[in-house]
Formats: sequence, structure tokens, C-alpha cells
Amino acid sequence: KNEVEQSPQNLTAQEGEFITINCSYSVGISALHWLQQHPGGGIVSLFMLSSGKKKHGRLIATINIQEKHSSLHITASHPRDSAVYICAVTAGNQFYFGTGTSLTVIP
Amino acid sequence: NAGVTQTPKFRILKIGQSMTLQCTQDMNHNYMYWYRQDPGMGLKLIYYSVGAGITDKGEVPNGYNVSRSTTEDFPLRLELAAPSQTSVYFCASSYTGAGPYNEQFFGPGTRLTVL
Repeated sequence: KNEVEQSPQNLTAQEGEFITINCSYSVGISALHWLQQHPGGGIVSLFMLSSGKKKHGRLIATINIQEKHSSLHITASHPRDSAVYICAVTAGNQFYFGTGTSLTVIP
Repeated sequence: NAGVTQTPKFRILKIGQSMTLQCTQDMNHNYMYWYRQDPGMGLKLIYYSVGAGITDKGEVPNGYNVSRSTTEDFPLRLELAAPSQTSVYFCASSYTGAGPYNEQFFGPGTRLTVL
């Protein structure tokens, strides 16, 4: 069993739709990260959070420590949001990654 | 700043060959990491370093070695390449002080094929 599970694995949305990607984890963590991997392979860190909620532009990340769950929301989705979104957690000195959610936003 | 740079971008090895994947960061970050990403799988931590002269194993260290003689450089060594090491390798760095781990900055990746 993976320490980090994401859902859905694949997601197709129409431009403008509100998108939610979910992440559940099974280990005690000090932080949770949301990463974006572009079709070319590059990886960019979007958020790091250990409690509550963070917002950056059209992206919102929330975490519920008690339920060991985090969500990444994208408002007013755009084709340029098409990418793989990866959830990762820091547990001690280890990082554990989900397998990613592949998002395609259709114009 | 160039950020995190990796060389080479692509490499094909024969079974049993050795090679070193280079990683350099110019952000004066103390922490550096090596990951591998296999198709359909999440990133796996191979090794990490909390500062020059200090390295430690991650989740999948077998078949690899690392060194950290300077803050900037964190090379990954494959001594006897095996087909199971075919993967995309990412180097990353972060500045981590007290408190939760901070944002990681990733290199562009090295695509390695072992035949």
C-alpha cells in the first residue's frame, strides 16, 4: 500500500470548470506538498502546507491533519493548467509521493 | 540564478557500465535530493543530503552512491548499471531551517536507459 494515494488518476475538464484533486496519506507528516509536472517533464512546487489553507492565484490547497487528507482546487480552469499534479508528504527525513493526477483541460 | 541544473539530459548505458549523474544548485540550499520516477509510479527518494559532507539513504538507495563535498554539488553514481535502473532521475534542493521542510526546487531531469 502506498503511503500517499491520489484521486482521480485522470481528469478531463472543460475550460472554466472548477477542479478538485484529492490526496490521502497514511503516515504522520510534518508537511504536505503539491507539485505540478508539465508535459515536458519539469516539476514545479505549487504549495507546501502543514495546516489550514493556502491560495495562489486560481489555485487553492487545503489540508485536514485529523483526517489525513488534502485537496487541490483549481478555479476557472484553463488549458494551460493541463499537467500532472503530484501530492507529496514529508515524514521525518523521508518524502513520499503519490502517483499523480493527470489533468487535461479542453478549450 | 540558474537554479538546479542536471547533466546529462539523456543517456543510454549498457548493463554493467557505470556513470555519474551531475547535479548543481546555485541557491545556497543546504538540502539536496535525488529521486527516480518510473512510468506510472510516484517519485521515489534515492538519497538525500542535509549539508556538505552529510548524506543519507532514502527509500530506494540500492545500486546508487552519492557524495556531497560542496554545498553546490550532489552527484549520483551508478556503479553497475542494471535494466531496473532505467528511469527518469530528478535532483532537487531546498533551504531547510527550523520547522517543516521548505519548498523544493527541481532540476529538469535525466532520462536514463539501461540496455
